Amino acid sequence: DIQMTQSPSSLSASVGDRVTITCRASQGISNYLAWFQQQPGKAPKCLIYAVSRLQPGVPSKFTGSGSGTDFTLTITSLQPEDFATYYCQQYYSYPRTFGQGTKLDIK
Amino acid sequence: EVQLLDSGGGLEQPGGSLRLSCAASGFIFSNYAMSWVRQAPGKGLEWVSLISGSGGTTYYADSVKGRFTISRDNSRNTLYLQMNSLRGEDTAVYYCAKDRLAAGHDYWGPGTLVTVSS
Repeated sequence: DIQMTQSPSSLSASVGDRVTITCRASQGISNYLAWFQQQPGKAPKCLIYAVSRLQPGVPSKFTGSGSGTDFTLTITSLQPEDFATYYCQQYYSYPRTFGQGTKLDIK
Repeated sequence: EVQLLDSGGGLEQPGGSLRLSCAASGFIFSNYAMSWVRQAPGKGLEWVSLISGSGGTTYYADSVKGRFTISRDNSRNTLYLQMNSLRGEDTAVYYCAKDRLAAGHDYWGPGTLVTVSS
């Protein structure tokens, strides 16, 4: 199975800040990488697929990048609604696997 | 508008069975693979199973293989997850998700809670 390792596990930031979350795959996954945002008590929401493609309706403040095994999610100009938990997921092979999550909270 | 509504969760004893359903609307159901993803209380996301649009191909996580069966009824636009031999570690919120094989899970249901306890 492909292991997905996110860092950091938690992150504190202020409104207006820019943050970066990283995700490393245990082997190459081409561009089969997605990022999800989850608010407490809610279903996850897909932000980015294929490393850098925004889901329709997702603002351009969310940017994905990377290739091979190393990927990043960058969020600019943080707003209160952005404080949530973020997960990466590889869908290159089965079983599909998620990172352990990064909890972004307000400093 | 794509809508997914998962249902069928509840309290079940260890060793028991439950069947989850996911009613889909707003897209051509048979054209898309569908997945189940679960989340244990306070934990991260775990992919459980996927079924192709035709229903002819399925995949499972090792943790549920041989106990859970994914299926679909394209005439009813409904996805199912038959869960047998339930264990305490199956306690989780279960989400159904529409799947674009080259783009992952683009829409999710609100989730249904399964609790396995005596």
